[in-house]
Amino acid sequence: GAGVSQTPSNKVTEKGKYVELRCDPISGHTALYWYRQSLGQGPEFLIYFQGTGAADDSGLPNDRFFAVRPEGSVSTLKIQRTERGDSAVYLCASSPSGALNEQYFGPGTRLTVT
Amino acid sequence: GEDVEQSLFLSVREGDSSVINCTYTDSSSTYLYWYKQEPGAGLQLLTYIFSNMDMKQDQRLTVLLNKKDKHLSLRIADTQTGDSAIYFCAERNQAGTALIFGKGTTLSVSS
Repeated sequence: GAGVSQTPSNKVTEKGKYVELRCDPISGHTALYWYRQSLGQGPEFLIYFQGTGAADDSGLPNDRFFAVRPEGSVSTLKIQRTERGDSAVYLCASSPSGALNEQYFGPGTRLTVT
Repeated sequence: GEDVEQSLFLSVREGDSSVINCTYTDSSSTYLYWYKQEPGAGLQLLTYIFSNMDMKQDQRLTVLLNKKDKHLSLRIADTQTGDSAIYFCAERNQAGTALIFGKGTTLSVSS
């Protein structure tokens, strides 16, 4: 079956611009996660959704970052006033009912802020 | 706070065994994980171990857990060139809502 998909695969934007990154989880997975992976680092947790609500947003670095999941499936990560330090690969994962043992990752969106 | 440490590089010859080591800080971690990341591909869950186990074997993979020392290792038997990748150790965060990853160990397999 289809895995987690993310669009776009690459995004180049200028400093100060607004960007949206999209994640389509595996059908039927109620839990959705966003991570950020900087060069040479492991993925770093950003936010976790259970259904439509953000169950844990403690990883969001500041108020420029926001994520939504209005219908409990597709999620959008929104970054305002982008900074060069936001350049990273943004990974989305989903799992059935929040089981971390069954977390499936998408291929990621590579964001470059110039 | 939670933290996961790994050595950054490992180089082995094809056919040898590879051992990738990891230390973690949260003694209450219930599950510990190994992920594989190949260039251009997503993170792939290789295996995980529950904290009440000392060892788990899955085909060529053996996971050893030393809870006293908070040390986790992944042994790959008969390493192949296709095993070349970055391997991440991960533990659950205290809330149980997400994973905390190490920086990854780059495994290079030469023929």
